[in-house]
Parts: sequence; C-alpha cells; structure tokens
Amino acid sequence: NAGVTQTPKFQVLKTGQSMTLQCAQDMNHNSMYWYRQDPGMGLRLIYYSASEGTTDKGEVPNGYNVSRLNKREFSLRLESAAPSQTSVYFCASKGQRRDTQYFGPGTRLTVL
Amino acid sequence: SQQGEEDPQALSIQEGENATMNCSYKTSINNLQWYRQNSGRGLVHLILIRSNEREKHSGRLRVTLDTSKKSSSLLITASRAADTASYFCATDRGGSEKLVFGKGTKLTVNP
Repeated sequence: NAGVTQTPKFQVLKTGQSMTLQCAQDMNHNSMYWYRQDPGMGLRLIYYSASEGTTDKGEVPNGYNVSRLNKREFSLRLESAAPSQTSVYFCASKGQRRDTQYFGPGTRLTVL
Repeated sequence: SQQGEEDPQALSIQEGENATMNCSYKTSINNLQWYRQNSGRGLVHLILIRSNEREKHSGRLRVTLDTSKKSSSLLITASRAADTASYFCATDRGGSEKLVFGKGTKLTVNP
C-alpha cells in the first residue's frame, strides 16, 4: 500500500496562475483533508470531505476550491495564485472506525 | 484559530534524557492525539488518548490527559537522536470530523 500520495512534490507559480494539487489514498478511507503549513505554525485546515460527494470549508478556505473526484481522490485547486498561498500543503485521510489521520508527504508551493 | 498550544516551542536535550512536551486546549474534546513531523515530511500519528483516559503508554511514549485543566503532556523516555522532530498535539473539538493542530514543539536530541 502506498498510503496517501500527493503530486507534485514541488511547484513554483507566478501570481495569477492556476494549478491543481492532486491527492490519492489507497486505504479505502471515507474522509480526506487538505491542510497548509506555514513556518512556525501548525497545520491549518483548508477543506475536508467527510465522504464521497461532500466537501466542507475548514479554517482557511479563501482562494481555494476542492473536488472529491471519487473515494480515492481529493484535489485542491488554486484558481488565481497569490504570494500569500506560498506554503507546504498536506493531504490526509481518515477511516471510519479510527480517529487517526494519515498524511501524505506534502507539496511545497512557491508563488512569486 | 489554534485549539492546541504546545509548550515549549523548542526543546534541546542530550541523548538518553527524557523529553516532556505540554499541550493546552480550549474546548471540550473526545480525544487528543500527538503527531510527529520529521523535517520536510508529512505528519505521523504517535498516540491517541480519549477524554475518559488519564494516561496511556506506547513504547517509550507516555501521554497524560487532564480534562479539568484542559492539558496534556507527552513524555519521551531515553531519547535518541532519531527522535529529533517537531511534535504536534491535535484535538477534535468534541467529536468533530475535523482536527485542530497546535503550533508544535521542535525537539532536538543531541548525540
């Protein structure tokens, strides 16, 4: 099992460009999450999906959109990137029976 | 807003010593979790303690929870250089699907 995978690992964008961060899990988990981590900060929740077909806003959703494509995949889209979105983005998933979240390796995004 | 706040922000110890990190939170919880993050990597779950538990052990890890004080501590005994990482507490805010993470404690274990 690969667990939670994220692509790409690194990305540099110019202000105003758009991009989609991809996340997939092979653990048959119902819930999936997108976080951002900034220096000296913990993780802040952007969006989450408690089940296939549903998405909800987290703490910092402005400037982002998400799609729960199927049970395995949960993508995060930046429509018009801004320098304030420079961060490391983590995807996570959680099964129905346990409260533990499993994290991907992260995507390091720089917006110039 | 941050639910959990870890203390200290940074901790530097010698190999073989014990490391203690604390976490305070604000609202009622069903459980509290501790995660570790090695530099440049994703978070890895260490241990979960439920609100009706006071202490839990896993290998060299010992976690305590005091719901009256809304605080938890993580003790790593006989630390190793490989324990060097950032440690985060996370709470579920009373059973929410969402976790709220603190800012973390950066632990350095010197060989």
